[in-house]
Amino acid sequence: SYVLTQPPSVSVAPGQTARISCGGNNLGGKSVHWYRQKSGQAPVLVIYDDIDRPSGIPERISGSSSGQTATLTISRVEAGDEADYYCHVWDSSSDHVVFGGGTKLTVL
Amino acid sequence: QVQLVQSGAEVKKPGASVKVSCKASGYTFANYGVSWVRQAPGQGLEWMGWISAYNGHTKYAQKFQGRVTMTTDTSTSTAYMELRSLRSDDTAVYYCARDCSSISCSLFEYWGQGTLVTVSS
Repeated sequence: SYVLTQPPSVSVAPGQTARISCGGNNLGGKSVHWYRQKSGQAPVLVIYDDIDRPSGIPERISGSSSGQTATLTISRVEAGDEADYYCHVWDSSSDHVVFGGGTKLTVL
Repeated sequence: QVQLVQSGAEVKKPGASVKVSCKASGYTFANYGVSWVRQAPGQGLEWMGWISAYNGHTKYAQKFQGRVTMTTDTSTSTAYMELRSLRSDDTAVYYCARDCSSISCSLFEYWGQGTLVTVSS
C-alpha cells in the first residue's frame, strides 16, 4: 500500500520559517493536500492541490511539490501555528485515501 | 456557510455496534461525497471510507471491509457510519468530512466536530 512519510516533529523559533516535508513514491504525480490540527480540534485544510490556499488561510502558509517530496512552508511562524500537520493524497492504484503520519510543529 | 454537525459521544461494550450521524447544511448535499476519518487517542488520522451522496456508491478501506457500513439520507442531508463488532482499539474520535463527488479524487474542505466513541467493558 502507498505510504506517505513525514518527520514526527519540527521545532522553530517565532518569526522563523518552518518547513514540513511529506515523502512518497511518485508523489509529484498526485495532488497533495495539507491539514492543520490544533489540540482538541478537528483538522482544517490549509493547502490543496500542492500549492493552493483556501480562503482565510494567510499567504505566509504555502505549499510546493517536486519529485518524491511535497513541502508545507510556514513563514514568520507565530505561537498560534503550533499544531499537528498532516499531508493527504488519493492513491489511484488502490482507490484509497492515504494520510502521512503527521508532524508536530513546536514554536520555541 | 457549510456545516457538518455530528452526533454526540458514545460508550459501547466490546462486540457492540455504533452508528454515528453527520448532518450537512449550507450546500447541495447530493453534489458531494462524505468520507469518514478516525483518530485514536494520541495517534494520526486514519481514513475509513467514502460514500457518494448522489448515488450511494461506497469505497471502504480494506481494514474496515465487512465491519463498516456507510449510508446517506438525502431527505435530511445526513450521512451515517456504522461500525460493528467493536473492540477496545476502536476507541477514537470519528470525523465526517465533505469529500469529492466521485471516487477518483479526495479533498476534505469541511469537517464535522468529531464524535468520541469509547469501547470499554
